[in-house]
Amino acid sequence: DAGVIQSPRHEVTEMGQEVTLRCKPISGHNSLFWYRQTMMRGLELLIYFNNNVPIDDSGMPEDRFSAKMPNASFSTLKIQPSEPRDSAVYFCASSLEGQLYEQYFGPGTRLTVT
Amino acid sequence: ELKVEQNPLFLSMQEGKNYTIYCNYSTTSDRLYWYRQDPGKSLESLFVLLSNGAVKQEGRLMASLDTKARLSTLHITAAVHDLSATYFCAPSSGNTPLVFGKGTRLSVIA
Repeated sequence: DAGVIQSPRHEVTEMGQEVTLRCKPISGHNSLFWYRQTMMRGLELLIYFNNNVPIDDSGMPEDRFSAKMPNASFSTLKIQPSEPRDSAVYFCASSLEGQLYEQYFGPGTRLTVT
Repeated sequence: ELKVEQNPLFLSMQEGKNYTIYCNYSTTSDRLYWYRQDPGKSLESLFVLLSNGAVKQEGRLMASLDTKARLSTLHITAAVHDLSATYFCAPSSGNTPLVFGKGTRLSVIA
């Protein structure tokens, strides 16, 4: 299995630009999670989906952030407009209900907003 | 709201020594995960602990779970440099998302 795939791996953008992060979960997994990791705040859950439906988006910092999961094999996290404080590593993880709910993490996207 | 506290947050230990990392959590959880993260890398699952009294061992690492005390420990035996990483614990119940501790940054020095 290829594992969770994220793209791009690195993104550098200017403040005010739109940023789209992409995630392909492990085939057959039915839950998908977006996390953000910074030195100051650690690992934070932004949003998670179950069977493509958003279940809890209370971790999304503000309206500039949005996430979609149009099908079982693809999800996006969009930031518009981006700000320097959005600089972080964004991880996507997926899990399969009933298989211990163990989450498998993607390699992450390192976002730098200048 | 589930809160997770790990200690210590930073740990510098000599090769060959033993040490224990502690993970306390605030509400009942029916399982707990330990993850490892190397610098600049993603999180890798180490252990899944499913019941009270569960103990798992892999190499020089041994994890245990006491659900009554809401406590998990990660014991390091005879540390080696390759164990240098950040270790996270994450309790969970049902199909709720994992709640991660702040992580323990372990540095093993010669």
